[in-house]
Amino acid sequence: AQTVTQSQPEMSVQEAETVTLSCTYDTSESNYYLFWYKQPPSRQMILVIRQEAYKQQNATENRFSVNFQKAAKSFSLKISDSQLGDTAMYFCAFMIRGNTPLVFGKGTRLSVIA
Amino acid sequence: SQTIHQWPATLVQPVGSPLSLECTVEGTSNPNLYWYRQAAGRGLQLLFYSVGIGQISSEVPQNLSASRPQDRQFILSSKKLLLSDSGFYLCAWSRGTGGKETQYFGPGTRLLVL
Repeated sequence: AQTVTQSQPEMSVQEAETVTLSCTYDTSESNYYLFWYKQPPSRQMILVIRQEAYKQQNATENRFSVNFQKAAKSFSLKISDSQLGDTAMYFCAFMIRGNTPLVFGKGTRLSVIA
Repeated sequence: SQTIHQWPATLVQPVGSPLSLECTVEGTSNPNLYWYRQAAGRGLQLLFYSVGIGQISSEVPQNLSASRPQDRQFILSSKKLLLSDSGFYLCAWSRGTGGKETQYFGPGTRLLVL
């Protein structure tokens, strides 16, 4: 079975600074995807970024980037130039290739402080 | 573009009453559909997923059931609600092949069982 671990229940960062959220996972699969989802106070789950395991290049989406270390089974999210609107719960998630259900970590609550 | 709808947005029900939550997807065909539940301050738990009409896989049967009467409609039901059924229910869809698999979430339904 696959597991996803987020070891930081809460984090805070000053506005305009950079913050990194950690995620590790465990699987015996070789073809899979990793995701970061953001859940603001509205509780809508919003896709932030995705990474295909067979791609060595780290994914980036504007201010969001990942550090994917496949051998270490690590998938951290870096948020640059943090904004107040980045305040949310962030979930790391794993999916075996083939449109299977997601396996989620327990989340990290990020607060951006003005 | 694809959109996913859930209703109702909020529901307050007495213990022992029935439940019906509906999820519909627009702008795609033959999606995989998923029901997740999020208890207060916790991660997401997969309840059911479906790969086609009438095809339902259950992860947490208990007193909940799911049905897929149409290609883009997914319904979560209960005959008698329990206090422990309170939570935030999220529907998601996925499609795509060849490295494009991603899950997208609806706005969710807040259920409070009293």
